[in-house]
Amino acid sequence: DAKTTQPNSMESNEEEPVHLPCNHSTISGTDYIHWYRQLPSQGPEYVIHGLTSNVNNRMASLAIAEDRKSSTLILHRATLRDAAVYYCILRPYYNQGGKLIFGQGTELSVKP
Amino acid sequence: GAVVSQHPSWVICKSGTSVKIECRSLDFQATTMFWYRQFPKQSLMLMATSNEGSKATYEQGVEKDKFLINHASLTLSTLTVTSAHPEDSSFYICSATSPRRVGGGTDTQYFGPGTRLTVL
Repeated sequence: DAKTTQPNSMESNEEEPVHLPCNHSTISGTDYIHWYRQLPSQGPEYVIHGLTSNVNNRMASLAIAEDRKSSTLILHRATLRDAAVYYCILRPYYNQGGKLIFGQGTELSVKP
Repeated sequence: GAVVSQHPSWVICKSGTSVKIECRSLDFQATTMFWYRQFPKQSLMLMATSNEGSKATYEQGVEKDKFLINHASLTLSTLTVTSAHPEDSSFYICSATSPRRVGGGTDTQYFGPGTRLTVL
């Protein structure tokens, strides 16, 4: 499976935008880019996913580079509740068995 | 989003005993459930994939005789840690999904809140 690289940690101020980068230089043409996040002492939750075009939902936006070798998760206004570990995961279109393989993720801290 | 529950949320047991953890999809039928383990300050590690009505598929290095998985219905999967030892102490998380046969890369997984196991 293609791998992703994320910074270990990032800091943000409350109510400011946050850009969480993810590099996936070996991504294949049929890999979807998924983001999940894990709040402290909880199970992960789905955030967003995309293939080529930028995506928006109520939680975040996903900006995908034209060559698809990197992507950025954007939280438009960080809140204290957004402090979590954010995982960028590649999933092939024909995702065998549907399993997710988690990397180390980025631990986001939000300062009031 | 869909809701997945786990029971118990935490458990403390003595070394050598067995512990069962339940994972339930509350508002959808989950043909596939997954079990993960997470040690402190580490990422989630996939242990096994469980399909309803069939045997679980274990990831390399995971002992199937130690971690018994049963997925008897579309809404319930159980993980039994047999003869637990202190090194089995961890955060166990399940997830559930109904993957499409084609286009599975777009499926969303719904995670339970996790079960913290402490083996004394």
